[in-house]
Amino acid sequence: GDSVTQMEGPVTLSEEAFLTINCTYTATGYPSLFWYVQYPGEGLQLLLKATKADDKGSNKGFEATYRKETTSFHLEKGSVQVSDSAVYFCALSDPSGGSNYKLTFGKGTLLTVNP
Amino acid sequence: KAGVTQTPRYLIKTRGQQVTLSCSPISGHRSVSWYQQTPGQGLQFLFEYFSETQRNKGNFPGRFSGRQFSNSRSEMNVSTLELGDSALYLCASSPSPWRVYNEQFFGPGTRLTVL
Repeated sequence: GDSVTQMEGPVTLSEEAFLTINCTYTATGYPSLFWYVQYPGEGLQLLLKATKADDKGSNKGFEATYRKETTSFHLEKGSVQVSDSAVYFCALSDPSGGSNYKLTFGKGTLLTVNP
Repeated sequence: KAGVTQTPRYLIKTRGQQVTLSCSPISGHRSVSWYQQTPGQGLQFLFEYFSETQRNKGNFPGRFSGRQFSNSRSEMNVSTLELGDSALYLCASSPSPWRVYNEQFFGPGTRLTVL
């Protein structure tokens, strides 16, 4: 079945540091890939997405590139802020699995940014 | 446009009881999905409804059920509650089944505690 593996946290960085959160996936078909963010006490917010190989999703300074050859979708940001402190989830949806509406999530990575 | 709303936000029940959670999708969205989030298992797909029909179901026991109404609002029910059912239950809505990719919009969740 489909699966998503993301780097274990927690990750602690100083403000303005470079961020990378690794994500790799296994899927039967040709999935769409997502990064969601969850702030304390809130639901999930879509951060960025990519639907085909070599697509780059970007939002709020975050970027991730869909790499089919390495089955990866690593999240990066050049300069993190304290307000980026949250839990980040990598996810995929695989239409070949019978439904385009089932998201398979990684375990999540807690990011803490210190001033 | 109002986001996905979930009620109640917090719930405390005892073992053996049953519970019903409610989700109102974004106006115009016809697909509603439910996820369970726990520290141990992470985010797991429960089921997805479209036009009052369950289209996909995750690997949960039959104690977990749901339904969708003609106005796209959805409810999920858990009967004979167990301690392990304590979790954050997230609802997500999607605009259309004909989109190439699945972009889901999440509500804030219902925090269920089983004592």
